[in-house]
Amino acid sequence: DARVTQTPRHKVTEMGQEVTMRCQPILGHNTVFWYRQTMMQGLELLAYFRNRAPLDDSGMPKDRFSAEMPDATLATLKIQPSEPRDSAVYFCASGFYETQYFGPGTRLLVL
Amino acid sequence: DQQVKQNSPSLSVQEGRISILNCDYTNSMFDYFLWYKKYPAEGPTFLISISSIKDKNEDGRFTVFLNKSAKHLSLHIVPSQPGDSAVYFCAAPRDTDKLIFGTGTRLQVFP
Repeated sequence: DARVTQTPRHKVTEMGQEVTMRCQPILGHNTVFWYRQTMMQGLELLAYFRNRAPLDDSGMPKDRFSAEMPDATLATLKIQPSEPRDSAVYFCASGFYETQYFGPGTRLLVL
Repeated sequence: DQQVKQNSPSLSVQEGRISILNCDYTNSMFDYFLWYKKYPAEGPTFLISISSIKDKNEDGRFTVFLNKSAKHLSLHIVPSQPGDSAVYFCAAPRDTDKLIFGTGTRLQVFP
């Protein structure tokens, strides 16, 4: 049963601290997405990769967010420095259209 | 610019009745639409889709209707069951791989 995994599932941190979220996409999926879920905006696309190359990160605040895919089995999303407005649930997904599978999310709270 | 809109943040329906979730879009170039379902503490999962060459697609208790002239689609669940209680997102593809999601509608089905 292939699935997308994300760590950590929950993170509480203080403003100004660095936050790193990790994602292991489904083996064989060459497209990986990072989304953020908020009440007001729903599911916002932050960044996505195809074959590990970043294709679009226009949804991310560039000054504090960065997304990388060091290898085919790992995608990372970093926030440095974190701010209270970054509090949200961050989802990673791999695949596309009907076969876009989401991980369980990382719930981030920045105090 | 919210290209996919779900104007009802929540809906409450009695078990056995019909649930109707609505979605509007602004981009007439969209030609494919998807519905995702999300339970608490889980990532969204694909539910049903429709191509613009159709005006209806049915899968068991779930039917999606598309009105291209009104730029409107709806998801019907008949009969509604308590296990259908979740957040429902409509989405449309933009570019090759990306999905644009609405803000979601929380459905609660009560006994």
